[in-house]
Amino acid sequence: KNEVEQSPQNLTAQEGEFITINCSYSVGISALHWLQQHPGGGIVSLFMLSSGKKKHGRLIATINIQEKHSSLHITASHPRDSAVYICAVRSRGGADGLTFGKGTHLIIQP
Amino acid sequence: KAGVTQTPRYLIKTRGQQVTLSCSPISGHRSVSWYQQTPGQGLQFLFEYFSETQRNKGNFPGRFSGRQFSNSRSEMNVSTLELGDSALYLCASSATSGSNEQFFGPGTRLTVL
Repeated sequence: KNEVEQSPQNLTAQEGEFITINCSYSVGISALHWLQQHPGGGIVSLFMLSSGKKKHGRLIATINIQEKHSSLHITASHPRDSAVYICAVRSRGGADGLTFGKGTHLIIQP
Repeated sequence: KAGVTQTPRYLIKTRGQQVTLSCSPISGHRSVSWYQQTPGQGLQFLFEYFSETQRNKGNFPGRFSGRQFSNSRSEMNVSTLELGDSALYLCASSATSGSNEQFFGPGTRLTVL
């Protein structure tokens, strides 16, 4: 079973700061997802990646398959980025569905 | 395209009752996955259906079951409810099974008294 660790658990930053959230997993994967959850529960899929790097607006996600590690970066952070960010992986073979990290609670102060 | 819809959005039940939750995927999507989210355990995978067949199942007791219909709509059922079943139940749809982007519904908040 894959173990997914996220850090930090909580992060408070000032508007405009560069944010990095990290995710490590223990077993080889076929895909890694970064999800965003706002208060109230709705989850939005930000990225799905299996190698390299993806960028969408101010968000960048990278993955290093050899090191079993991924990072989510937010540039020029804004209060509306305040949310819980969750890393999830699908193990190679995919028999176990998605395994989730505990999430990173991000607060961006104006 | 309409997003993933889940009904009902909120539900209150008592211990021992059973409950059925419904999920309608994005039009054209054939895979539906169900997840449970609690403050203590976070998000956990329940099961995945593709073309009316259960493809994967998480580590949950047999009280948790599901099915998928020919129109890809899915239901999950929890029998003999326990207090610990209180959670947010989320479903997500994707175009196919396996490593595809998942689109999440708003969830059903179940409270067991």
